[in-house]
Amino acid sequence: DGGITQSPKYLFRKEGQNVTLSCEQNLNHDAMYWYRQDPGQGLRLIYYSQIVNDFQKGDIAEGYSVSREKKESFPLTVTSAQKNPTAFYLCASRPGVGNQPQHFGDGTRLSIL
Amino acid sequence: GDSVTQMEGPVTLSEEAFLTINCTYTATGYPSLFWYVQYPGEGLQLLLKATKADDKGSNKGFEATYRKETTSFHLEKGSVQVSDSAVYFCALGMIYNQGGKLIFGQGTELSVKP
Repeated sequence: DGGITQSPKYLFRKEGQNVTLSCEQNLNHDAMYWYRQDPGQGLRLIYYSQIVNDFQKGDIAEGYSVSREKKESFPLTVTSAQKNPTAFYLCASRPGVGNQPQHFGDGTRLSIL
Repeated sequence: GDSVTQMEGPVTLSEEAFLTINCTYTATGYPSLFWYVQYPGEGLQLLLKATKADDKGSNKGFEATYRKETTSFHLEKGSVQVSDSAVYFCALGMIYNQGGKLIFGQGTELSVKP
């Protein structure tokens, strides 16, 4: 089945560490997105990419970095500069053309030890 | 800027009750509108969508109509079930610009009791 795979499901980070969250899709979608979800809040956009080797900052990009070397993959690195990284992170993708909705993975929950 | 406002939860209903979750939006241009549902510990699933004014999206007994005059996209279901318990998010998407990004409301938690 086609879909979006996020791994790991749970991730723990020590203070001062960078961690990388994986997002892989086999839907042949051009555009990919990373969102952050905090309790009782909606999702906020961190970064997005519409094509390989190109990406743009979203609304809350500070303390995060991404890469898009392959169409299928859009990893997110939470750096030590992100002072409040505890959250639920969701990856999404959509076709690059047409009026199509985004499809979401099952998320990664990041916690600070 | 563009924004989405949802009615606050939690909303608690008895099985077979009528459901309305209000959603209003502010946007420049002509956004598409979506309702997503999130079950505990999971990602978001698309529930329904509408791409232009007066469109009605429907799925699994849920409906929502894109009302441009009232800038609203309220979610309704005639008879809820316990399995409908989840968090519901209204979102607008600027599909043809801004990279197709979505702007979400804060979510409305629905709890349906037997």
